Amino acid sequence: DAGITQSPRHKVTETGTPVTLRCHQTENHRYMYWYRQDPGHGLRLIHYSYGVKDTDKGEVSDGYSVSRSKTEDFLLTLESATSSQTSVYFCAVLVRGAYEQYFGPGTRLTVT
Amino acid sequence: TQLLEQSPQFLSIQEGENLTVYCNSSSVFSSLQWYRQEPGEGPVLLVTVVTGGEVKKLKRLTFQFGDARKDSSLHITAAQPGDTGLYLCAGRNAGGTSYGKLTFGQGTILTVHP
Repeated sequence: DAGITQSPRHKVTETGTPVTLRCHQTENHRYMYWYRQDPGHGLRLIHYSYGVKDTDKGEVSDGYSVSRSKTEDFLLTLESATSSQTSVYFCAVLVRGAYEQYFGPGTRLTVT
Repeated sequence: TQLLEQSPQFLSIQEGENLTVYCNSSSVFSSLQWYRQEPGEGPVLLVTVVTGGEVKKLKRLTFQFGDARKDSSLHITAAQPGDTGLYLCAGRNAGGTSYGKLTFGQGTILTVHP
């Protein structure tokens, strides 16, 4: 499982409130990714990181920001949650030698 | 933007039947991965294919990468209820500095009835 944990696993929040999701890995992987999963859309990349303090936008980055202050933690923040951000969020790491991504267990976020 | 079209979106079959899931694109990928996902869990990597024309087998599952590295298929022989789940294909972008980013298909929800 590449030593990935996500917290919280479930969260219900109200529209307009800030929310931060955490991804933690224990195997010192350099590359990390945040995705959202919605029915009929597969997985869509929100943001990714290629090192400490090095991040970039994915295809659906509007309304999201990220931070990576240390190798093991990659945080996803919704500054002001909206109902359209109700989704399941997955974090992944890249196993560099194989160029393969391994996923965490996910966070189910509901914005009411 | 690279796109991967996965089909069919839903597949409902009886135990023992064979099935094939397809992933197609107009873009070339450096490699293509297949994942399986169960409800409430993250996707689990099944296989990575890298070379055009490559075929890999995982028990009753056969994965093929197209010669031009634009498409892939997953074939399951004699499906079992335990094969039920969401299957996702994902291509690693070719060329330039991709940072290992993947493009995912929409997924195929497979239900195998006993």
